[in-house]
Amino acid sequence: AQSVTQLGSHVSVSEGALVLLRCNYSSSVPPYLFWYVQYPNQGLQLLLKYTSAATLVKGINGFEAEFKKSETSFHLTKPSAHMSDAAEYFCAVSDGGATNKLIFGTGTLLAVQP
Amino acid sequence: GAVVSQHPSWVICKSGTSVKIECRSLDFQATTMFWYRQFPKQSLMLMATSNEGSKATYEQGVEKDKFLINHASLTLSTLTVTSAHPEDSSFYICSAWEEGANYGYTFGSGTRLTVV
Repeated sequence: AQSVTQLGSHVSVSEGALVLLRCNYSSSVPPYLFWYVQYPNQGLQLLLKYTSAATLVKGINGFEAEFKKSETSFHLTKPSAHMSDAAEYFCAVSDGGATNKLIFGTGTLLAVQP
Repeated sequence: GAVVSQHPSWVICKSGTSVKIECRSLDFQATTMFWYRQFPKQSLMLMATSNEGSKATYEQGVEKDKFLINHASLTLSTLTVTSAHPEDSSFYICSAWEEGANYGYTFGSGTRLTVV
């Protein structure tokens, strides 16, 4: 069964600082990995997804993530935080198999301080 | 890009009544849709997988008689919360799976259900 672990339920950074949100996955098959962002009382917006074409994945709004098989990690980064980045971030994994279920981590709430 | 429309965005109902939530894929066909429940400040919990033309597959612990799911067409899945009670109050989100080159999961904007 697939699972993801997000280390740090709350992360606070200063505006302009590096953003690093951690995600480790567990999967018995090559995983499909995703990062989503959620603003209050809204649905989820896809930031980026791992397609196996490249280990470094670039997404929207300046975010990127690197797939490291040896570390079973898919951490999300952004060089310079903006106030508008304050939101909840979810890492998710799917096996892409018959069930195709998307399983979410517990989420990380990112706060950006002025 | 792919768009999933979810309605209503919020609903208040009385205990004992039923509420239907619709999830539509607007520009693609979704053979598989998913329903999630999210409690305040928590992650999304998968409730069930909905496949067009067949019965939904429910996750362990989810009451299939309370949460009725219908996926009658390739663009529409519905979740009906039957005989709702205050403990059913939550944020419900649907997701549709798109196959092909642009594969991925697209989420609706969610439905805030409050049972009074």
